[in-house]
Amino acid sequence: QSALTQPPSASGSPGQSVTISCTGTSSDVGGHNYVAWYQKHPGKAPKLLIYEVTKRPSGVPDRFSGSKSGNTASLTVSGLQAEDEADYFCNSYAGTNNYVIFGGGTKLTVL
Amino acid sequence: EVQLVEFGGGLVQPGGSLRLSCAASGFTFSNYWMIWVRQAPGKGPEWVAYIRQDGSETHYVDSVRGRFTISRDNPRYSLSLQMNNLRAEDTALYFCATVIAVGAFHIWGQGTMVTVSS
Repeated sequence: QSALTQPPSASGSPGQSVTISCTGTSSDVGGHNYVAWYQKHPGKAPKLLIYEVTKRPSGVPDRFSGSKSGNTASLTVSGLQAEDEADYFCNSYAGTNNYVIFGGGTKLTVL
Repeated sequence: EVQLVEFGGGLVQPGGSLRLSCAASGFTFSNYWMIWVRQAPGKGPEWVAYIRQDGSETHYVDSVRGRFTISRDNPRYSLSLQMNNLRAEDTALYFCATVIAVGAFHIWGQGTMVTVSS
């Protein structure tokens, strides 16, 4: 099973919105509503931002939102803040045998 | 404070063994499926193994099945990963995490590094 495809980098200025894509196939992203997004700062534990495509765990600001169209899921970060500069990666359920597959990650830079 | 702390990583020769542990605190450990996820240098994460709340069900990624064993001790709030017959391709930062929904890993530790090299 190949990894999900994410752009290696993304950027935006404070206050702007940025959208990061996560592209898979009909066997994973397109076939199930189990896409999750994570934020990771260097040396810190990953943080779950979005699960089941659009749900936010308690405590995650509503500036972070998720969506999906076909085989591509997206994470949108609105009202960019300096602390949003981090790596973001996605995962998707990929069936009973494969369980989940991950994206390669996107480094978000706040200009 | 809700947290997971992994330990036990290190440098090991190919064919060697290592046991990783994950200490949980601040939440009811026995309520959650738990998972080990690894990330090799320069690559995306990969799930390794996961275990049911009571330990009665386990699953492994194909590349580690038969070599790795996941287990848990609920009274001690502890998760383990016994890794045998290690290979160079097992070199990665290993994380433990709670599973709150299908493919949704909520609480993570900071990871412990495993390096397999001669």
